[in-house]
Amino acid sequence: GESVGLHLPTLSVQEGDNSIINCAYSNSASDYFIWYKQESGKGPQFIIDIRSNMDKRQGQRVTVLLNKTVKHLSLQIAATQPGDSAVYFCAENTAGNNRKLIWGLGTSLAVNP
Amino acid sequence: GAVVSQHPSWVICKSGTSVKIECRSLDFQATTMFWYRQFPKQSLMLMATSNEGSKATYEQGVEKDKFLINHASLTLSTLTVTSAHPEDSSFYICSAIKGGGTDTQYFGPGTRLTVL
Repeated sequence: GESVGLHLPTLSVQEGDNSIINCAYSNSASDYFIWYKQESGKGPQFIIDIRSNMDKRQGQRVTVLLNKTVKHLSLQIAATQPGDSAVYFCAENTAGNNRKLIWGLGTSLAVNP
Repeated sequence: GAVVSQHPSWVICKSGTSVKIECRSLDFQATTMFWYRQFPKQSLMLMATSNEGSKATYEQGVEKDKFLINHASLTLSTLTVTSAHPEDSSFYICSAIKGGGTDTQYFGPGTRLTVL
């Protein structure tokens, strides 16, 4: 079946560096993508989203890039902080899919002080 | 805002008992809520989609008589794990869609269920 996958299961960065978390998706019909952050023992927290008619969207310290040609999604975190340590999930939504999300496997981000 | 709460945050019960988990949207009305379970170091697994005033739609392999879902109002959905067994121990998370044309799901903090 179609799924969303991640290139890197774990990522370790130094505090202050920029982080890039990647995600590949296989459903070319997906039109909405979301990044979530999940800290241990908590529910996922919405970070940023992007629709398929865009290729870049910026938030506070975060940027999401969408490359529909190669079905690739990335999350960039600027000046990574210890509080950014968490598991990051990408998710996709396909129009007509009853608003269900297809989830990636998750990338664990560890920020070293 | 878009705040979703869950109650309880954790529960321990004996095998054979039933446990009810509540999911509430605190500052918005949610016509659609979702229930997930998550095992350690794994992604979220959708169990069912809950629409206010109608029966829930369950994912393949999820027993509807085992996991009873009630979405009685626009701000409350409940998941009841009936006759719980140790294999039902998991982290249960709900989410809600704010509506107004957006598909963004906002998640509750999760409920840790441990069945002894």
